[in-house]
Amino acid sequence: QVQLQESGPGLVKPSETLSLTCTVSGDSIGSYYWSWIRQPPGKGLEWIGYIYYTASTNYNPLLQSRVTISADTSKNQFSLKLSSVTAADTAVYYCARGDYYHLWGQGILVTVSS
Amino acid sequence: EIVLTQSPGTLSLSPGERATLSCRASRSVNSNYLAWHQQKPGQAPRLLIYGASTRASGIPDRFSGSGSGTDFTLTISRLEPEDFAVYYCHQYSSSPRTFGQGTKVEIK
Repeated sequence: QVQLQESGPGLVKPSETLSLTCTVSGDSIGSYYWSWIRQPPGKGLEWIGYIYYTASTNYNPLLQSRVTISADTSKNQFSLKLSSVTAADTAVYYCARGDYYHLWGQGILVTVSS
Repeated sequence: EIVLTQSPGTLSLSPGERATLSCRASRSVNSNYLAWHQQKPGQAPRLLIYGASTRASGIPDRFSGSGSGTDFTLTISRLEPEDFAVYYCHQYSSSPRTFGQGTKVEIK
């Protein structure tokens, strides 16, 4: 059974870098697209970006200057870094598998506050 | 960017009724790369439909998707109590990937 689990700090200070990891069990990250999606409290879903075949990436143009997605095949994990965060980056962050997100992690709430 | 517009914003129905949700794209979604996700409060979204009309594994057959090009529909033939939730359409045919703003199906 494939599972995805997000992890990382739940609180980040303004102007700092948000760093999250998605650990994949039951499957290899060497295949499929692996994505990050976020959802501000009470709002809809926003695509952040994806990595596929552990090397190629594609990012939301609105976030591209601040986002990096990378993969660690030895740990079967992929990661998100979002720099220069503000309160507008407060959201539940999800990782998901596949091009149409046929599997989601449970999500992690990240609050940007001093 | 393909903008997805869902309607209505809220659908108030009773259990046993039929629900019809619409998703309209600002330009054609190639290869019908359109998915539908269900989200309940405090939970992650769950994939229902991909390729516009293919049910994901384990999804009951009361859920069906249809449409092509710019107009897509999610139909729930008879609402069960567990179907009251928010539904999002999502296109994965072009970048940036985009979601509709969601339709809330609530108990009347």
